[in-house]
Amino acid sequence: GQNIDQPTEMTATEGAIVQINCTYQTSGFNGLFWYQQHAGEAPTFLSYNVLDGLEEKGRFSSFLSRSKGYSYLLLKELQMKDSASYLCAVSPRAGYSTLTFGKGTMLLVSP
Amino acid sequence: DVKVTQSSRYLVKRTGEKVFLECVQDMDHENMFWYRQDPGLGLRLIYFSYDVKMKEKGDIPEGYSVSREKKERFSLILESASTNQTSMYLCASSPGLAGEQYFGPGTRLTVT
Repeated sequence: GQNIDQPTEMTATEGAIVQINCTYQTSGFNGLFWYQQHAGEAPTFLSYNVLDGLEEKGRFSSFLSRSKGYSYLLLKELQMKDSASYLCAVSPRAGYSTLTFGKGTMLLVSP
Repeated sequence: DVKVTQSSRYLVKRTGEKVFLECVQDMDHENMFWYRQDPGLGLRLIYFSYDVKMKEKGDIPEGYSVSREKKERFSLILESASTNQTSMYLCASSPGLAGEQYFGPGTRLTVT
């Protein structure tokens, strides 16, 4: 079976750093995605990790530990526009399987 | 620029009506997906298609059907709409079945 856990909500202050965790238990693993979704809009791709370690992309970084079934998304220098839901999604073993999404973490950035 | 479009952003239908939600992608992707998204439940997969005329049930297919007559178009059909189908419906496409998905803007359906 597939199980992905993320915190439901987080709050942070403009200019700060926030880490959003994702733990997963899946029947196979082929990679992990992070998506950002603003209220009323479609999810948009942020990052993809297939190997252990940190992937950095501007203010956003994503980390993966396959042995621990754990990932995090790190957002630096928070801006008000970063207020959104952040979805963790696991790509299972190849075959007739699709992405499994977590329920998302709602991040609220305050002034 | 990749693009997935959906026929309506907002739709209001009555209980018992037949509802068609259309999705079109211009990226020549093999795979297309229909999700519904509800507060506290996240994205749930309704159906997906990995080729023209091919379809597979997702996690919550009951009350829905799909059609894929052309590669670029994937339709979601609610045979007899019910109030518990009030939701945000998101279409997505991807080149690989378990790869990055590109989402449409969503259709917020209200069934009264």
